[in-house]
Amino acid sequence: SQQGEEDPQALSIQEGENATMNCSYKTSINNLQWYRQNSGRGLVHLILIRSNEREKHSGRLRVTLDTSKKSSSLLITASRAADTASYFCASYNNNDMRFGAGTRLTVKP
Amino acid sequence: DTAVSQTPKYLVTQMGNDKSIKCEQNLGHDTMYWYKQDSKKFLKIMFSYNNKELIINETVPNRFSPKSPDKAHLNLHINSLELGDSAVYFCASSSDSFRPQHFGDGTRLSIL
Repeated sequence: SQQGEEDPQALSIQEGENATMNCSYKTSINNLQWYRQNSGRGLVHLILIRSNEREKHSGRLRVTLDTSKKSSSLLITASRAADTASYFCASYNNNDMRFGAGTRLTVKP
Repeated sequence: DTAVSQTPKYLVTQMGNDKSIKCEQNLGHDTMYWYKQDSKKFLKIMFSYNNKELIINETVPNRFSPKSPDKAHLNLHINSLELGDSAVYFCASSSDSFRPQHFGDGTRLSIL
């Protein structure tokens, strides 16, 4: 069964704007990971946040985790056209990693 | 050097045929996976192997059989292909099940 649910399903913004994507999951987790997928390519790992962490940064990426709400968000600041891709969250719990259906982000130049 | 490579990239075949997809990783990882991504981009795990042993076997028809000759390879063999098998299949690997996964670029399987 599908574990993660991302919203929105699709997001279109202008270059320079910030993009926020949300993810909800159903069971307890050990960690939550965000991945990016360019068209026709495999997923690329972006950032991992452990269940005891609340926020993590990596360059222009900021991830938050709220285990009480079973949700996470990915913020991309100062977006670029090259950020256009699908973004997936994946929740990990006891040898089991579950991906959501992703958010398709389009950044217009 | 490609970290996780899968072949072929495209596979077009007729219903009822048997086909294989190969996957190799040169990262020295112990765990490898097969995923199926449908037309709506939903990614579903099919199998997970750790050091050549099956760890996860989701509810997948037994027409799908993974084979791991060594820990760097995890091949997927599919018997009696059906229209519903059309999808993109991804191989991935990780050093441990909780660590980030590295994905291949996928094999697009089209059943005629």
